[in-house]
Amino acid sequence: AQKVTQVQTEISVVEKEDVTLDCVYETRDTTYYLFWYKQPPSGELVFLIRRNSFDEQNEISGRYSWNFQKSTSSFNFTITASQVVDSAVYFCALSEPGNTGKLIFGQGTTLQVKP
Amino acid sequence: GAVVSQHPSWVICKSGTSVKIECRSLDFQATTMFWYRQFPKQSLMLMATSNEGSKATYEQGVEKDKFLINHASLTLSTLTVTSAHPEDSSFYICSGDLAYEQYFGPGTRLTVT
Repeated sequence: AQKVTQVQTEISVVEKEDVTLDCVYETRDTTYYLFWYKQPPSGELVFLIRRNSFDEQNEISGRYSWNFQKSTSSFNFTITASQVVDSAVYFCALSEPGNTGKLIFGQGTTLQVKP
Repeated sequence: GAVVSQHPSWVICKSGTSVKIECRSLDFQATTMFWYRQFPKQSLMLMATSNEGSKATYEQGVEKDKFLINHASLTLSTLTVTSAHPEDSSFYICSGDLAYEQYFGPGTRLTVT
């Protein structure tokens, strides 16, 4: 069965702290995509990253970095030197099999960054 | 990047009335669009897959007659909530598929009184 688990429901940090959001997935596919989205209070989903299952290289984009480990079926997201503007709900998502375009979302992690 | 718009951004309607939500891909053609609903503090739940020129495919448990989806062109899909009830109050989000990547609209907040 396809499933995405974000065990951290809420995380609270103080500005400038580093924070890691965990994502664990289950899939029977050998080819799949993993995504991270940010949903600020306005509600609009903001695309952060898409990662192909064959590409296990870690990625860094400014203060954001992602650690993809197929061996543990994890795709964790780290924010370095967090800022108040990072406060949002973050969703990890997995593509459904068969190139349907459908996504399976995790339950989301609410990140609160306090000044 | 690809842009998807939704209209209206928020709507209040009375119980028993119908409301239509539009989803437009502004700078790309979307053969496939997806409709989600999201309750407060919950994740996105896929309601249906909207295919241009054909009937929508609904997820299990979603009432086809209540949530009417029309995908009349490659840039427009509409979701009509018929005979709305307070429990239909939710945040409705659409997305357009481009090369198997979804681009999300800003969402429509529906409140049924």
